[in-house]
Amino acid sequence: AQSVTQLDSQVPVFEEAPVELRCNYSSSVSVYLFWYVQYPNQGLQLLLKYLSGSTLVESINGFEAEFNKSQTSFHLRKPSVHISDTAEYFCAVSPNTGFQKLVFGTGTRLLVSP
Amino acid sequence: EAGVAQSPRYKIIEKRQSVAFWCNPISGHATLYWYQQILGQGPKLLIQFQNNGVVDDSQLPKDRFSAERLKGVDSTLKIQPAKLEDSAVYLCASSLEGAALYGYTFGSGTRLTVV
Repeated sequence: AQSVTQLDSQVPVFEEAPVELRCNYSSSVSVYLFWYVQYPNQGLQLLLKYLSGSTLVESINGFEAEFNKSQTSFHLRKPSVHISDTAEYFCAVSPNTGFQKLVFGTGTRLLVSP
Repeated sequence: EAGVAQSPRYKIIEKRQSVAFWCNPISGHATLYWYQQILGQGPKLLIQFQNNGVVDDSQLPKDRFSAERLKGVDSTLKIQPAKLEDSAVYLCASSLEGAALYGYTFGSGTRLTVV
């Protein structure tokens, strides 16, 4: 079985400041890793994912995440946030064998203020 | 490409009543998922279908929840009778086989309020 821990339920930051949203996972098998974003009153959207290869993955809007197998982490970072980044961010894992499914963390609310 | 369609968008019912949600996945997507997202929590998988067969329903409260996927396309999720703690957003998602590579597509969800 898999589980995901997002320790920070809410992260307040000022615009143009850097941010890191933490994600740790537990699994008895190898996994794929994902970050999803949910803007207010909208559905879940894929932000980025790690399947294999380079442990650093990037999104088109400036976010990046690094897979660290030894620490079982997949933290999300952005060097300079915008007001429009205010949203709920969910880390998720999926086993990379068998029937694939997403197991989500509890989410981190990113609040960006001017 | 049309997205995952869900209806209704909102539903308010009294406890002990029954309710049904409908999902139409993306055409050609063999795998369909129902998730429950309680306010302040991450989505929790209730049931996963591969075509019209169930591959995982370990977290489905089977005494009150049921789901079916007829002909491997549309799916319905039913709650009977509803409890206050069933208040949540019910998300439907679909994917091709090899979901991690090709991606999961989520619907906008049905927000259920049980009073």
